[in-house]
Amino acid sequence: LAKTTQPISMDSYEGQEVNITCSHNNIATNDYITWYQQFPSQGPRFIIQGYKTKVTNEVASLFIPADRKSSTLSLPRVSLSDTAVYYCLVGGPGRGSTLGRLYFGRGTQLTVWP
Amino acid sequence: DTEVTQTPKHLVMGMTNKKSLKCEQHMGHRAMYWYKQKAKKPPELMFVYSYEKLSINESVPSRFSPECPNSSLLNLHLHALQPEDSALYLCASSQAVGFYGYTFGSGTRLTVV
Repeated sequence: LAKTTQPISMDSYEGQEVNITCSHNNIATNDYITWYQQFPSQGPRFIIQGYKTKVTNEVASLFIPADRKSSTLSLPRVSLSDTAVYYCLVGGPGRGSTLGRLYFGRGTQLTVWP
Repeated sequence: DTEVTQTPKHLVMGMTNKKSLKCEQHMGHRAMYWYKQKAKKPPELMFVYSYEKLSINESVPSRFSPECPNSSLLNLHLHALQPEDSALYLCASSQAVGFYGYTFGSGTRLTVV
């Protein structure tokens, strides 16, 4: 199972763009990269998922280089309400004992200041 | 309906009590999950159900007993818990096992006294 490494914490100010990078050196060919956001005492919320190149939705963009050994979550113009823990997860359909085993790493605590 | 609903939101139980946590979804998802989260830690996988059958048990102590009565409902039965079992218990669902766009519930905050 691919292990992920993220910065433990990041700080930003309102209105800035925030980029959170995740390393996943042993990502498997059929693995996808998924990012979740979690506020205190709430369940994680799905943000975005991608396999390669760039994916964009209404809240974020996900950049994945050709070698797929890392990925970057980009949050445009953050606000105070974006203060949360962001998790990068890697997993795919897998086979056998790996199927369904989606593990959370330590995540990145993003703090947005006024 | 695009939500996973967990009840109760808060639960305090003694070490000799028996209680159950409930999770419900009506999105037609065929995979459901239980995670446990301690303060300041990431969620830890406990159980995975696929098409109402238990497919993964992450060596969870037998005082935690999962049950999936139907495709919309997931229960976690608790018995003889320890204070260290106090945590936020999260339920999630996905289209199927292997599809990682999970929908999580808000969790049940469990305190064992």
